[in-house]
Amino acid sequence: DAGVTQSPTHLIKTRGQQVTLRCSPKSGHDTVSWYQQALGQGPQFIFQYYEEEERQRGNFPDRFSGHQFPNYSSELNVNALLLGDSALYLCASSFLSGRGGAQYFGPGTRLLVL
Amino acid sequence: DQQVKQNSPSLSVQEGRISILNCDYTNSMFDYFLWYKKYPAEGPTFLISISSIKDKNEDGRFTVFLNKSAKHLSLHIVPSQPGDSAVYFCAALTGSARQLTFGSGTQLTVLP
Repeated sequence: DAGVTQSPTHLIKTRGQQVTLRCSPKSGHDTVSWYQQALGQGPQFIFQYYEEEERQRGNFPDRFSGHQFPNYSSELNVNALLLGDSALYLCASSFLSGRGGAQYFGPGTRLLVL
Repeated sequence: DQQVKQNSPSLSVQEGRISILNCDYTNSMFDYFLWYKKYPAEGPTFLISISSIKDKNEDGRFTVFLNKSAKHLSLHIVPSQPGDSAVYFCAALTGSARQLTFGSGTQLTVLP
């Protein structure tokens, strides 16, 4: 049973560029959430996707956008990259109906913006 | 405003002894609390959770205690093993989207 997978593992971009990160959820999960983890901090919620729609968004600007595909996989897009966007981006999957169910995380994509 | 706080950035314990990791929260709307463990270069791994209507949940060497009146929870690991050395995050669930709010983490080091 494959867990959550993310690609790429590492990425280097320059300011102003755009980036797309990808995530495949754990088998059977229907919901994908994205988190940003800066150095020395806990992950911060970016947004969540279910049934190909954004259900909720955290305190992130519109430069951060996403998409969910019919097979439940998801993409995170960041436009007009800033130095402060350098972080570990984590994808987590879960069942929407799982009220107390844990979210299962992928290994993350480490983004460096120069 | 940090709604979930882990005030100890690091903790060292001897192998075989008890590790106690603490977490405080401010939002009374949180209805589930979870602990995650994170090794370098890996994503967080779910350890154990507790509903806000419970005060204790146990799973093997891991026990989570919740004190709602104090808005405090703790994770006990007994006995601690060197492989437990990792960063531990406390997280809380709320809302219809069930978004996780994380603390800043505690680096646990278990000394052989």
